[in-house]
Amino acid sequence: AQKVTQAQTEISVVEKEDVTLDCVYETRDTTYYLFWYKQPPSGELVFLIRRNSFDEQNEISGRYSWNFQKSTSSFNFTITASQVVDSAVYFCALSERYSGNTPVVFGKGTRLSVIA
Amino acid sequence: DSGVTQTPKHLITATGQRVTLRCSPRSGDLSVYWYQQSLDQGLQFLIQYYNGEERAKGNILERFSAQQFPDLHSELNLSSLELGDSALYFCASSVAHAAAEAFFGQGTRLTVV
Repeated sequence: AQKVTQAQTEISVVEKEDVTLDCVYETRDTTYYLFWYKQPPSGELVFLIRRNSFDEQNEISGRYSWNFQKSTSSFNFTITASQVVDSAVYFCALSERYSGNTPVVFGKGTRLSVIA
Repeated sequence: DSGVTQTPKHLITATGQRVTLRCSPRSGDLSVYWYQQSLDQGLQFLIQYYNGEERAKGNILERFSAQQFPDLHSELNLSSLELGDSALYFCASSVAHAAAEAFFGQGTRLTVV
């Protein structure tokens, strides 16, 4: 069965520090998709990125970067030069290509607090 | 703005009552997903519809039901409400029926008193 583990429950950093959010996943499927979502204090869920299992290239989008390593079943998310507006709960999620009942499974989330 | 609209944003109701949550997907999206986010359970997948048909079922209680209408909007019906049903209910939509990125609505916060 698919599973996503975000071991860091809460992280607190000072503004301008870099921070990495860890995500480890389990799946028996060879084709799957990984996601990151952001949930700011206002409550909505904001899609950040989707990565398929065949594309291990790292991705950078502004201050955000993602490191996908199949060898360690990890899909980590780094925020460079963090800002107060980055304070949110971040969810890592997994969707198997041939999943049965659960299209997307979410981790428990990591609450990031960026202090000015 | 994700393009997914959920109404109402907040709902307070008493135990034993029945409520209906509504979701309008993004234009062109055929899939609608319902998720429940409670403090102790995190984000739990409830049910998915694709073009009017039930596609996948997760941890949805028998007291809960959903449907997707011909215009593709969806409703989640929660009945015989209990205190433990208090949660944030999200609707998401996507173009495809599986593994596409899902765009989430702002959620409906249900409080059962």
